[in-house]
Amino acid sequence: NAGVTQTPKFQVLKTGQSMTLQCAQDMNHEYMSWYRQDPGMGLRLIHYSVGAGITDQGEVPNGYNVSRSTTEDFPLRLLSAAPSQTSVYFCASSYSSRHEQYFGPGTRLTVT
Amino acid sequence: QQQVKQSPQSLIVQKGGISIINCAYENTAFDYFPWYQQFPGKGPALLIAIRPDVSEKKEGRFTISFNKSAKQFSLHIMDSQPGDSATYFCAASSGQGAQKLVFGQGTRLTINP
Repeated sequence: NAGVTQTPKFQVLKTGQSMTLQCAQDMNHEYMSWYRQDPGMGLRLIHYSVGAGITDQGEVPNGYNVSRSTTEDFPLRLLSAAPSQTSVYFCASSYSSRHEQYFGPGTRLTVT
Repeated sequence: QQQVKQSPQSLIVQKGGISIINCAYENTAFDYFPWYQQFPGKGPALLIAIRPDVSEKKEGRFTISFNKSAKQFSLHIMDSQPGDSATYFCAASSGQGAQKLVFGQGTRLTINP
C-alpha cells in the first residue's frame, strides 16, 4: 500500500495563479480531509469529505475548492492564489473523523 | 475560533524527565481525543487516543489523562528521550453532527541529552 500520496512536494505560484494539489489514498477510506499548517496555528481544517460526492467546509475554506468524484482522490484547488495561502498543506484519510488519520507527506506552497 | 487550546507552545525537558502537554476544549459533544506526533518534514502520525468513557490510557511511556468535568486532557511522556523531540498536537472530534477533527496549536518538545 502506498498510503496517502500528495503531489507536488513543492510549488511556487505567483499571486492570482490557480493550481490543484493532488491527494490520493489506496486504503479505501471514506473520510478524507485537507489541512494547512502554519507556525503557531497548528493544523487547520480546510475542507473534508465523508465519502464520494460529499464534501463540507472546515475552519478556513475561503479561497479553496474541493471535489470528491471517487473514493481514492480528493484534490484541492486554489482558485486565485494569494500570499496568505503560503503554507504547508496536508491531506489525510481515515475510516471516519473518529479513527486514526493517515497523513500524506505534505505540499509546501509559496505564493509570491 | 479555536475549539481546542493547547499549551505550552514549546517545552524543553531533560532526558529521563516527564514531559507534560495540556489541552482544553469547549465543545461538550467531542468524544474522541487523539494525540499526534510530527517530526520535521513529515506528516503527523497518531501517537495515542482516548474516548471519554475512561479517565486514563497508557501505551508504553505515553499516557493520556482525561478530565471530562474540566474539559481538559493531557499527554504525559515518562522517561523522555531525545528521540521524543518532535511537535505534538492534540485534537478532538465528535460523532454527532459535522464530522470535523480539530487540532490544537501544537507543542514543540525538545529533550536535552
